[in-house]
Amino acid sequence: GAVVSQHPSWVICKSGTSVKIECRSLDFQATTMFWYRQFPKQSLMLMATSNEGSKATYEQGVEKDKFLINHASLTLSTLTVTSAHPEDSSFYICSARTLLDSTGALHFGNGTRLTVT
Amino acid sequence: SQKIEQNSEALNIQEGKTATLTCNYTNYSPAYLQWYRQDPGRGPVFLLLIRENEKEKRKERLKVTFDTTLKQSLFHITASQPADSATYLCALDMLRGSQGNLIFGKGTKLSVKP
Repeated sequence: GAVVSQHPSWVICKSGTSVKIECRSLDFQATTMFWYRQFPKQSLMLMATSNEGSKATYEQGVEKDKFLINHASLTLSTLTVTSAHPEDSSFYICSARTLLDSTGALHFGNGTRLTVT
Repeated sequence: SQKIEQNSEALNIQEGKTATLTCNYTNYSPAYLQWYRQDPGRGPVFLLLIRENEKEKRKERLKVTFDTTLKQSLFHITASQPADSATYLCALDMLRGSQGNLIFGKGTKLSVKP
């Protein structure tokens, strides 16, 4: 149980275009989802906390107008990278917790490798 | 602010040996400390959680210890296998499994040679 599906797994786009990444909780409801960015040999960097039915909470230094997050339902959150530039190339991962899991473990998607050319 | 360090970026060991990974943190002890495995190009996968009032937790070939005095957790893999090769992340949960985020270390890349 507690499966998080992330799509697409990789995407290549041209500079200036926008890319949408989807994160779905398949067998549980996630009122909160988290979006991360990860560089090689670096830790997971939290970008924002996505709350169902309300605005996302962004970490300091993360541009909310560039990284648009929508959490329209209890099973879906989306991250849209707008006007992408090569420096946005990275590995983006989402995660969620379920109250059914008493360990409090985070359940992660398999990530999206974004390459901006 | 809370900081977390994992002892080494990479650890190479021989198959069959015990791998020991270290996670140190500063300031306040977390309510829970979690360990994850991450394979290249994949999201992390939860392995074990240990609570602040627990000294040790085991799961099959995995063992985790938690010393709040030293502000340290050790993660052991006994009888290591090449399939154990991956990056292992420790994470601090300050909020007792509530809906908050975790604080992640950079990870230690373990390579088990046959």
